[in-house]
Amino acid sequence: RKEVEQDPGPFNVPEGATVAFNCTYSNSASQSFFWYRQDCRKEPKLLMSVYSSGNEDGRFTAQLNRASQYISLLIRDSKLSDSATYLCVVNGNDMRFGAGTRLTVKP
Amino acid sequence: NAGVTQTPKFRILKIGQSMTLQCAQDMNHNYMYWYRQDPGMGLKLIYYSVGAGITDKGEVPNGYNVSRSTTEDFPLRLELAAPSQTSVYFCASRQGFEKLFFGSGTQLSVL
Repeated sequence: RKEVEQDPGPFNVPEGATVAFNCTYSNSASQSFFWYRQDCRKEPKLLMSVYSSGNEDGRFTAQLNRASQYISLLIRDSKLSDSATYLCVVNGNDMRFGAGTRLTVKP
Repeated sequence: NAGVTQTPKFRILKIGQSMTLQCAQDMNHNYMYWYRQDPGMGLKLIYYSVGAGITDKGEVPNGYNVSRSTTEDFPLRLELAAPSQTSVYFCASRQGFEKLFFGSGTQLSVL
């Protein structure tokens, strides 16, 4: 089993749709969790950290389920500019990335 | 305000050549990482370091070497370049369990 697994997609959604991504991890000792966004193979940029209590930043909501060892990202009211690859990152000392989920938002 | 600096941005190597990808950070971060990203794939961890003098293998270390003689620098060495090492390489750093700061990447082609 891979340490971090993501549904690779692609997800193709219309503008205004709500879309959710999940990411499972195998190391129960993992201590911090993040969602990154990557455009056209440029360097990934932090979208948001993921906290145990769940957290929200505008249209984006991240949640952590330690018992089931997964994190999720919910995007509401999708915009064309949300089209990108979304990467989950799970942290021990190393920082393991999921394979990424490709999202395309269409008019 | 440099953050993480990677050089070179692009490089073409012949099979069997050697080269070093440079990575430097000016944020006094203790953790540093090297990733590679193949087309259509996610980032795979090559090597990482939790501080000066300490390095550890990641998921795909074969064909690479690293050193961490200072806090600032974390060079990645390819000794005998192979076509399978054609990829985009990203260096990153962080402090504690905070977010990663990335360099802008090195596009490497081995022909």
